[in-house]
Amino acid sequence: GQNIDQPTEMTATEGAIVQINCTYQTSGFNGLFWYQQHAGEAPTFLSYNVLDGLEEKGRFSSFLSRSKGYSYLLLKELQMKDSASYLCASHGFQKLVFGTGTRLLVSP
Amino acid sequence: DSGVTQTPKHLITATGQRVTLRCSPRSGDLSVYWYQQSLDQGLQFLIQYYNGEERAKGNILERFSAQQFPDLHSELNLSSLELGDSALYFCASSVDPTSSNGYTFGSGTRLTVV
Repeated sequence: GQNIDQPTEMTATEGAIVQINCTYQTSGFNGLFWYQQHAGEAPTFLSYNVLDGLEEKGRFSSFLSRSKGYSYLLLKELQMKDSASYLCASHGFQKLVFGTGTRLLVSP
Repeated sequence: DSGVTQTPKHLITATGQRVTLRCSPRSGDLSVYWYQQSLDQGLQFLIQYYNGEERAKGNILERFSAQQFPDLHSELNLSSLELGDSALYFCASSVDPTSSNGYTFGSGTRLTVV
């Protein structure tokens, strides 16, 4: 089966750094994805990790530890437009299963 | 525009009715996935097709069915609708089921059952 946990909500200030954690239990694990979703809109792909370590992409970085079933998304230099839900999703047995998402509120 | 087209964008219907949601995948993508997202809920995986064949099933109700046609577009049929079926229904596509580029999502169909 697949089980994903991430915090429900986080708040941060513009210009700050925030880390969103995700733990997962996935049969046939084949990779961990992060998506961004603004309210009422489609999720958009942010990052993919299949090997342990850190993947950096501009202001966003994602980390994976397969042995611990743990990932995090790091957002730097926060901007107001980063206010959105961030979805952790694990891929296993040809299914991409999403967590319930972390709602990030960025304040001035 | 993500390249994944979903129609209609909005749908309002009564309980007990049947509706069909349509999805055209991004050009070159062979896999299609359907997800349901209720208010303040996560994306729930419903079903996946690859090149016309069903590949994986999630928590899809028996009242729901789907298929992928030879031209690769897909339809999700929802019947005997209940108030609780009101949700955003997303279609996504990828080149294949193991795509490391993730899935590309359409803009969704917002279904309201009254």
